Amino acid sequence: EGQLLESGGGLVQPGGSLRLSCAASGFIFDSYAMSWVRQAPGRGLEWVSGISGSGGSTYYADSVKGRFTISRDNSKNTLYLQMNSLRAEDTAVYYCAKDPRGALPANWFDPWGQGTLVTVSS
Amino acid sequence: EIVMTQSPATLSVSPGERATLSCRASQSVRSDLAWYQQKPGQAPRLLIYGASTRATGIPPRFSGSGSGTEFSLTISSLQSEDFATYYCQQYNNWPLLTFGGGTKVEIK
Repeated sequence: EGQLLESGGGLVQPGGSLRLSCAASGFIFDSYAMSWVRQAPGRGLEWVSGISGSGGSTYYADSVKGRFTISRDNSKNTLYLQMNSLRAEDTAVYYCAKDPRGALPANWFDPWGQGTLVTVSS
Repeated sequence: EIVMTQSPATLSVSPGERATLSCRASQSVRSDLAWYQQKPGQAPRLLIYGASTRATGIPPRFSGSGSGTEFSLTISSLQSEDFATYYCQQYNNWPLLTFGGGTKVEIK
C-alpha cells in the first residue's frame, strides 16, 4: 500500500505562490497515478489534480486550471503541486493520494497522506 | 459534472446498532463508487470501492451496495471507532471526480 508524507504548506498572501511536496515510500512510485485532493476548513473533499505514473498526462479541476501545476520526480519518489495566483478560496488541507489501480489515473484513492494546510490570507 | 448527494447529513446511532448511509448520483456512475471514513484531524481512509468491494483490512461489518445512481453503506453493528464522517466518491466521469458532502455518524 505504501506511505505518503506531504510538506510545504503554510500562510501565503492572496496572489502568492506555494509548492507542495509529497514523498512516497513503500511502493513502486512510477507504477501508480497520483492525485491531490483538498478539504477546506469544515467542508467536504474536492479533487484538485491528477497525474499519470510516467508524468506524461496531467489533469485539473476547473477551479485550479491555469493556476496550479502538478508534476512528479520518479527518481525522487516525490509528487509536487505548484500553486500560483492563490486565492482565499484555495485555503484548505491538501492531501496527496495514490490511485491503487495503476499508472493511469481514473479511480479511487488509497492511501492518503496526512495532509498539509495551506492558508491564503493577508 | 456528476453531483453526489449524501443523506442524511447527520445520523445519530447507538453503539451496537445498524447504520445505513445513502449516496445518490445525479446520473449513472455504474458501479464506479468508493466510500471513505474520516475522523477529525485525520486523512480519509478507503472503505469500499467498486460499490461493494471492501478495501484491505476493512472489517466485514462494513458493506456497500447499489449501482447506477443509488448507493448505500451499511455498518452492521456500530463500534466506538466507527463514529466519524463518511464520504462517497464517483470515479466514472474522469477527470471530473466528485465527492458527496458527507454523512456524520454521531453517538446517540
